[in-house]
Amino acid sequence: DAGVIQSPRHEVTEMGQEVTLRCKPISGHNSLFWYRQTMMRGLELLIYFNNNVPIDDSGMPEDRFSAKMPNASFSTLKIQPSEPRDSAVYFCASSFTSGGSRNEQFFGPGTRLTVL
Amino acid sequence: AQSVTQPDIHITVSEGASLELRCNYSYGATPYLFWYVQSPGQGLQLLLKYFSGDTLVQGIKGFEAEFKRSQSSFNLRKPSVHWSDAAEYFCAVGWSSGAQKLVFGQGTRLTINP
Repeated sequence: DAGVIQSPRHEVTEMGQEVTLRCKPISGHNSLFWYRQTMMRGLELLIYFNNNVPIDDSGMPEDRFSAKMPNASFSTLKIQPSEPRDSAVYFCASSFTSGGSRNEQFFGPGTRLTVL
Repeated sequence: AQSVTQPDIHITVSEGASLELRCNYSYGATPYLFWYVQSPGQGLQLLLKYFSGDTLVQGIKGFEAEFKRSQSSFNLRKPSVHWSDAAEYFCAVGWSSGAQKLVFGQGTRLTINP
């Protein structure tokens, strides 16, 4: 199993540019999570999907952030326009959930975003 | 709001010494408990988890954790640390009454002295 795949691993962009982060979850997993990690705020959940449907986006900072999951094997997190305060490491994680069960989340390697 | 607290931001221990990392969570419905480890520049890797049953759970790399419901705690332990254990450790909790998401603690950075 290849694990959760994220691309790009590193992204450097200028303020005002659009940034798109990509995630491929583990095959068979039906829940997908986007996190942001910074020194100041730690690991924050931005949004999560279950069966490709967004369930909770209360962690999305503002309208500049959007996420989609067009199918079970692909998700994107988009920032438009980007700002220097968006600089962080963005993680994607996936898990298999059924009914009321809980299972561990498997994390990707992360995308380190730097906005100049 | 449901919360997870890791009281120690940074811990330093000598190689070969024992280790305990603390984790407390806010009271709520049945918790699902996890410990993750993050090495520099890497993603998070699951060390162990507790869902039900025996309150002492064993994980990878010689780690164990004990769930104490009365104290709302899930502390991580290792009897003898190795230099390779230097990393950041995160406690995470999900609740049966909540959604699928986990709430993470702020993390504890572990430094190992040779």
